[in-house]
Amino acid sequence: AQKITQTQPGMFVQEKEAVTLDCTYDTSDPSYGLFWYKQPSSGEMIFLIYQGSYDQQNATEGRYSLNFQKARKSANLVISASQLGDSAMYFCAMREVGTSGTYKYIFGTGTRLKVLA
Amino acid sequence: DTAVSQTPKYLVTQMGNDKSIKCEQNLGHDTMYWYKQDSKKFLKIMFSYNNKELIINETVPNRFSPKSPDKAHLNLHINSLELGDSAVYFCASSHSLFDTQYFGPGTRLTVL
Repeated sequence: AQKITQTQPGMFVQEKEAVTLDCTYDTSDPSYGLFWYKQPSSGEMIFLIYQGSYDQQNATEGRYSLNFQKARKSANLVISASQLGDSAMYFCAMREVGTSGTYKYIFGTGTRLKVLA
Repeated sequence: DTAVSQTPKYLVTQMGNDKSIKCEQNLGHDTMYWYKQDSKKFLKIMFSYNNKELIINETVPNRFSPKSPDKAHLNLHINSLELGDSAVYFCASSHSLFDTQYFGPGTRLTVL
């Protein structure tokens, strides 16, 4: 079973509009973390936002916010006021305790976002 | 003032060769990682070191061997390169396993 699922391989959004990128996760670890990364066409990986499983409030970082719905096991990324520079691949990732007792990071397959002028 | 750096940025080599990729971070982090991103952009963790100790060792061929001479460096050595090893390899670091990871620029390895 997929631990991290990003169901939208590609999305379009009009400049200045908001967009939501979906991410659902599956874990039995009560203490986990959820991350979003951006990978522009240049290839580098850029950290965007983090949500801990015990955090009461949704994480926000500038135009990025994480819509964390624990019961639904979803951690959707919301980008407000999209800009052309937001066009990139976006990865959702989870940190959990692995079967060997060590921590592990698992990435989703990514969503390619294209912002239209 | 690059935070996480990798060398080389591009590596083209023949099958069967042995090659190394170097990673250095100047963030003072205790934990470092190696990831492989395949042609379909799927990102998978390979190894993680914390204070020079191997803490994550995913199922990768034993042709891949990480080496951490000190906390600031984590090198990846690959023996007997195969076509399927072609990918982008990312190094990352974090203050601890609980913290945000910061990635290097990646090394694009092409095996001919």
